[in-house]
Amino acid sequence: SSELTQDPAVSVALGQTVRITCQGDSLRSYYASWYQQKPGQAPVLVIYGKNNRPSGIPDRFSGSSSGNTASLTITGAQAEDEADYYCNSRDTQGVFGGGTKLTVL
Amino acid sequence: QVQLQQWGAGLLKPSETLSLTCAVYGGSFSGYYWSWIRQPPGKGLEWIGEINHSGSTNYNPSLKSRVTISVDTSKNQFSLKLSSVTAADTAVYYCARGTITMVRGVKNYYYYYMDVWGKGTTVTVSS
Repeated sequence: SSELTQDPAVSVALGQTVRITCQGDSLRSYYASWYQQKPGQAPVLVIYGKNNRPSGIPDRFSGSSSGNTASLTITGAQAEDEADYYCNSRDTQGVFGGGTKLTVL
Repeated sequence: QVQLQQWGAGLLKPSETLSLTCAVYGGSFSGYYWSWIRQPPGKGLEWIGEINHSGSTNYNPSLKSRVTISVDTSKNQFSLKLSSVTAADTAVYYCARGTITMVRGVKNYYYYYMDVWGKGTTVTVSS
């Protein structure tokens, strides 16, 4: 199956830690990649592979994976982290999770 | 630094063909999967399909009958055509550069990610 499941919404208090999860069978063979999208902007890659951050992504963003579940963790969430987050994987074709709206309180 | 610049018609009538092109500047064209993704208003991202430099394609099964992705390596460009559009095809369309890497181990694992994106093109289908 090429489906990825995310919680629609998550909230976190400013400065606290939040985990966003993504479930799907393809994650047993492919590491998830994670994208941050703010209103009116293109998605930005924040985590890929086992736990890799592209240049310019703060180290408060980290990734992990176990079985069919991938997680994006933000340690010490900042106001600017409020955004939609999408996981992405593939088997014979690419697929995105439905997205998680992160609110920073 | 690699940049993707995309363009195409922004307003279509039902039954017309959507046509978008994405140009790759500042980097190699080979070794990557050049992808199209769309996002309907207020909704999530949908993977449309991809092509590599040799022209091998993969498409979303839900769109496969209407989608064609092609490549022009002489211009470092790739294109999307979506036929017989309806209002449901109204979306922001993005092009992106995809990478697939295998990590060998006891169990082989793969990295798959899209690290460079175009700015997006808003396509509206309306009569």
